[in-house]
Amino acid sequence: AQSVTQLDSQVPVFEEAPVELRCNYSSSVSVYLFWYVQYPNQGLQLLLKYLSGSTLVKGINGFEAEFNKSQTSFHLRKPSVHISDTAEYFCAVKTNAGKSTFGDGTTLTVKP
Amino acid sequence: DVKVTQSSRYLVKRTGEKVFLECVQDMDHENMFWYRQDPGLGLRLIYFSYDVKMKEKGDIPEGYSVSREKKERFSLILESASTNQTSMYLCASRSGTSVSYEQYFGPGTRLTVT
Repeated sequence: AQSVTQLDSQVPVFEEAPVELRCNYSSSVSVYLFWYVQYPNQGLQLLLKYLSGSTLVKGINGFEAEFNKSQTSFHLRKPSVHISDTAEYFCAVKTNAGKSTFGDGTTLTVKP
Repeated sequence: DVKVTQSSRYLVKRTGEKVFLECVQDMDHENMFWYRQDPGLGLRLIYFSYDVKMKEKGDIPEGYSVSREKKERFSLILESASTNQTSMYLCASRSGTSVSYEQYFGPGTRLTVT
């Protein structure tokens, strides 16, 4: 079975500051990794994904994440956040078995 | 663009009522999912379907059933609604053949059971 742990439930940060949202996973087989974002009163949308290849993955809105197999982590980063980045962020892992498992979410609040 | 629509954004039902939540996708995706989202608990999988008339239990299927008679439509049924089923319900779809594995989500239905 796989599991996902998002290490921070809430991350407050000031506008234009850098941010890192942390995600660790566990799985006995190879995984595919995802970050989704949920803006208020909306469904989730994909930010970025790691399937194979380069461990540094770039996504939409200036976000990037790095897959670290030895530390079983997939942390999300952005060098300078905007007010509009305020949202809930979910890390997810999928194996070839089919189902995806989501973390509990991290609420990013960007303050002016 | 992929579009996943859910029949209602907000729904209020009484305890014991039978509740139907409908989800429709327009991208001919084989796989469809129902999740519930609660604060601090993330997304928990209720049921999923790999194809028409196929369904599998997720992590929290108790009190729910599903129906998939057509490829584009996946319905979640609460046989007898209870207050602990008050939640946000999210539907998602995914291609069964694409290697992108991305799930596409609907806007959600916020269900309140009183």
